Amino acid sequence: DTAVSQTPKYLVTQMGNDKSIKCEQNLGHDTMYWYKQDSKKFLKIMFSYNNKELIINETVPNRFSPKSPDKAHLNLHINSLELGDSAVYFCASSLGVWGNGELFFGEGSRLTVL
Amino acid sequence: AQSVTQPDIHITVSEGASLELRCNYSYGATPYLFWYVQSPGQGLQLLLKYFSGDTLVQGIKGFEAEFKRSQSSFNLRKPSVHWSDAAEYFCAVLNAGNNRKLIWGLGTSLAVNP
Repeated sequence: DTAVSQTPKYLVTQMGNDKSIKCEQNLGHDTMYWYKQDSKKFLKIMFSYNNKELIINETVPNRFSPKSPDKAHLNLHINSLELGDSAVYFCASSLGVWGNGELFFGEGSRLTVL
Repeated sequence: AQSVTQPDIHITVSEGASLELRCNYSYGATPYLFWYVQSPGQGLQLLLKYFSGDTLVQGIKGFEAEFKRSQSSFNLRKPSVHWSDAAEYFCAVLNAGNNRKLIWGLGTSLAVNP
């Protein structure tokens, strides 16, 4: 059983389009995160939800909108995609905020904007 | 401000050789320290962690790390590297203050020669 699963694994799209990435965890965790990993492997926290409440919202363009319908799901919608949005987006989860540093990651969703 | 430095961007070792990946942190109090591994095309996985106590900690896949307060370091070691260890390795620190945050290093890419 996959603990943290993301779909889709790959997205290729044109500039200006809108896309969504979905994430689900079956670990019973109460906190979920979205990270962006650029081509240099730098990990940047974007958002975090705890019990469906947004608790971390880093300086991310408002074209990015997260949504957590319940504790087990965290989705990411991106409007008006730009070339710079090309990256791998990782979902992660933990028990408690930051989980004492123990985060469980999905396999990532590679977004390519043409 | 807290920070994590991984001085080596890329390291190449021969299979069977020993490995040490360096990590230095900047944090006032005793930090919570972590090493994560990201295999190609995969998400990050926790290798090991240090909270307190014995400064030499054992992790999964035969890895260990040693916390040295005097050097503000938490270096990762493995006595004999396997080809499957080729991956990206991230050091991270969790600050324990009110504004908790997991701070990541930029990663070290490990290549293993046969």
